[in-house]
Amino acid sequence: GAVVSQHPSRVICKSGTSVKIECRSLDFQATTMFWYRQFPKKSLMLMATSNEGSKATYEQGVEKDKFLINHASLTLSTLTVTSAHPEDSSFYICSARTSGIAVDNEQFFGPGTRLTVL
Amino acid sequence: GNSVTQMEGPVTLSEEAFLTINCTYTATGYPSLFWYVQYPGEGLQLLLKATKADDKGSNKGFEATYRKETTSFHLEKGSVQVSDSAVYFCALITGAGSYQLTFGKGTKLSVIP
Repeated sequence: GAVVSQHPSRVICKSGTSVKIECRSLDFQATTMFWYRQFPKKSLMLMATSNEGSKATYEQGVEKDKFLINHASLTLSTLTVTSAHPEDSSFYICSARTSGIAVDNEQFFGPGTRLTVL
Repeated sequence: GNSVTQMEGPVTLSEEAFLTINCTYTATGYPSLFWYVQYPGEGLQLLLKATKADDKGSNKGFEATYRKETTSFHLEKGSVQVSDSAVYFCALITGAGSYQLTFGKGTKLSVIP
C-alpha cells in the first residue's frame, strides 16, 4: 500500500515556542490531506482538511491561527503549532487521500507525532 | 451528524479465542464503513471495509458485515493471535464532497498466549 510519513515522530518543546510537523506521501500524489489529534483513550478528532494549493478547512472549535496548515505540494502538508502550551500536548496524525471522487478512496495514515509541551 | 459507537475496552483474550468488537453508527445518507487497526507505535492501517448494505469485508481472518437494519458493523475473528494485539477503530464516511472519516473511540485488544 501507499506510504505516508511524518516527521518528527516525537518532539518536546518549551511553552511559547512553535513546532512544525511534516506529513509526506512517499509514493503517491495526495490532493487531500487530513490532520487529526488523538487524545488518550479517545478517538481521533479531525482538526482540518487540507487541499493542495488552497486554504485548509478547519473543524469547529479548532483555532486556525494556532494550528497553521500548509499544503504546498501534492506530497507535503505541514502543521505548525504556534505558541504551544501544555494543553497542546497530544498525538497528531495525518492522513492522505489519493485523488478521485470515489467516496471510499482509501486514506493512508502517517505513524503520528507525539508532541509534549513543557 | 454522523457518529460511531464501539465497545470500550480493553478487551483481553487468550490466543485462539473468538473475537467480537461491536460497532454501531448513525449517519446521514448511505455511509461506507471501515475498520482500522493501530499496532503499537504505528499509524492506522485499513483492515477491511464495506460500501453497501449486506456487504462483508474481510482481511487477515477478520470479518465484518454491513447491517443496515441494525446500523451495525461488528468486527469478528474466529481465532485470535498474539500478533492481533492492537487498537481497533470503527469508522464511516459519507462523502458528500468532504471525504471525512468519523471514528469510534477505539477498542484496545490484548491477546495473551
